[in-house]
Amino acid sequence: DAGVIQSPRHEVTEMGQEVTLRCKPISGHDYLFWYRQTMMRGLELLIYFNNNVPIDDSGMPEDRFSAKMPNASFSTLKIQPSEPRDSAVYFCASRTGTGDGYTFGSGTRLTVV
Amino acid sequence: RKEVEQDPGPFNVPEGATVAFNCTYSNSASQSFFWYRQDCRKEPKLLMSVYSSGNEDGRFTAQLNRASQYISLLIRDSKLSDSATYLCVVNGDNYGQNFVFGPGTRLSVLP
Repeated sequence: DAGVIQSPRHEVTEMGQEVTLRCKPISGHDYLFWYRQTMMRGLELLIYFNNNVPIDDSGMPEDRFSAKMPNASFSTLKIQPSEPRDSAVYFCASRTGTGDGYTFGSGTRLTVV
Repeated sequence: RKEVEQDPGPFNVPEGATVAFNCTYSNSASQSFFWYRQDCRKEPKLLMSVYSSGNEDGRFTAQLNRASQYISLLIRDSKLSDSATYLCVVNGDNYGQNFVFGPGTRLSVLP
């Protein structure tokens, strides 16, 4: 099992540019979560999906953020346009409906300059 | 009041010491509880689930007090490799799938 796979590992972009983060959950996991981590705010849930359907997106900070899950093996988190305050580590995690905890990917460290 | 609160630390303890972390949560309907460990610049990893009756995994013991909405983690005979941030996690929505993470308690085990 390859675990949750995220790409890219690091992203540096200029303010105003579009950023797309990618995630491949563990096969068979039907829940997928996007979290953001900063020193000031800790781990914050942005959105989660069940069977590819968004269930709760109340954590998405504003319309600049969007997430999709076109199939069971792939999800994207897009920021357009990006701003310096979006700089953070973005984690994707997955789990089964009856499973114990989440399994996290290695994260994408985003820096917007 | 924050949904999940923890003492941020840091806790600096010598090798071999016993250390305890506490966590309180605000949602009385929460049903699932976990401790995660996060090393510097790494992703959080599940350390252990917390069951109503309390549970133990080697040197680690987790306890849950539903009446006080309080969770604890005890580490005995601490090792240098235990140095990390420990995150208390509670399920936070009606579906039971959304987990709320506490801010974490940082532990440094010193030689």
